[in-house]
Amino acid sequence: AAGVIQSPRHLIKEKRETATLKCYPIPRHDTVYWYQQGPGQDPQFLISFYEKMQSDKGSIPDRFSAQQFSDYHSELNMSSLELGDSALYFCASSFGTSPYEQYFGPGTRLTVT
Amino acid sequence: ELKVEQNPLFLSMQEGKNYTIYCNYSTTSDRLYWYRQDPGKSLESLFVLLSNGAVKQEGRLMASLDTKARLSTLHITAAVHDLSATYFCAVDRGATNKLIFGTGTLLAVQP
Repeated sequence: AAGVIQSPRHLIKEKRETATLKCYPIPRHDTVYWYQQGPGQDPQFLISFYEKMQSDKGSIPDRFSAQQFSDYHSELNMSSLELGDSALYFCASSFGTSPYEQYFGPGTRLTVT
Repeated sequence: ELKVEQNPLFLSMQEGKNYTIYCNYSTTSDRLYWYRQDPGKSLESLFVLLSNGAVKQEGRLMASLDTKARLSTLHITAAVHDLSATYFCAVDRGATNKLIFGTGTLLAVQP
């Protein structure tokens, strides 16, 4: 069965650079969530989209922005990168906003040097 | 603010032994999730508990939910090394179902 696809899987950037992370949800899934997991920490919710509209927002820095496109894929744009942005970034998808299960992608490991 | 706490944070156990991981949450929610994460890997869904009294079992793992006590347990029976991983519980919050994760329990099963 098709799963959530994230690209790239690994990304190395320098401080103050920008990065774009992409997420392709499971076919027919219309909701995308982004989570950030720092080293040794639990995943933290960043932002979510339902039917291409932002549906919720968590602890996402103003330097980050995201959107969901007409084909339901989503991109997380990160600017003015800081060392503390180094983390695993997960995308999850689900069908509808009351589905009771989110399917997680493999994650993008971002390293900021 | 919803808080989700797990204990223990670290659990070292011998193969063949039984143990329980506890997950407490601070505000009302009827849905509780358990995930497994291997180092550097994604989150693998183990159980979705949708109502008070729900109990689910898969192999050596059994999860239960008591919404009145705001408590979920993940019971491990006759542990084997392959169960070594970090286990997270999570509660979904609000109409958008964003997940609030617990602190995680690092399980190490020793031969």
